[in-house]
Amino acid sequence: QQQVKQSPQSLIVQKGGISIINCAYENTAFDYFPWYQQFPGKGPALLIAIRPDVSEKKEGRFTISFNKSAKQFSLHIMDSQPGDSATYFCAASLDRGSTLGRLYFGRGTQLTVWP
Amino acid sequence: DGGITQSPKYLFRKEGQNVTLSCEQNLNHDAMYWYRQDPGQGLRLIYYSQIVNDFQKGDIAEGYSVSREKKESFPLTVTSAQKNPTAFYLCASFRTDYTFGSGTRLTVV
Repeated sequence: QQQVKQSPQSLIVQKGGISIINCAYENTAFDYFPWYQQFPGKGPALLIAIRPDVSEKKEGRFTISFNKSAKQFSLHIMDSQPGDSATYFCAASLDRGSTLGRLYFGRGTQLTVWP
Repeated sequence: DGGITQSPKYLFRKEGQNVTLSCEQNLNHDAMYWYRQDPGQGLRLIYYSQIVNDFQKGDIAEGYSVSREKKESFPLTVTSAQKNPTAFYLCASFRTDYTFGSGTRLTVV
């Protein structure tokens, strides 16, 4: 059973546009929601993360919106650039305060930003 | 620089052979993980270890084995029992956030 569902699978956006990727989860015990960015042939790198006591977090052009009642969270990339073209993964975790750090990943969204 | 080193970057093996993927970290992290990545499947957890000499099966452990004899090292063996071993394998460590290695692409022919 997929613990975290991500959509869309692929996304094409024009340079300067807004990219939006959505994720939904089932387990209300999840307490940490990171987004990872992955370039071809590389490992994922942490982009931005949020905890459920906050509804929005912004870092530069990247914003996470979190809706606890709907069990959904999304990544918004403002002013999308060709250099943002990558695969994006959402994830969720239990017990982040422990050393376990077990992450459940969405299936990824391949973003292409056209110049 | 601290980080995770995975080697080799590319690995080719014949069907029926066991193969071991290396993962070394110098971050002094206790927890380490192995994930498998297939197109459109996201990252699936194979094995994880919280401390030396202890490890747990993840969601897709069948056909894989690991060891954790040192804090810095967490090698993954893909055995001949793994039915579809061709994939991109990622190692990670965790303290407050995940750090991933650059991956090993295994191709079995």
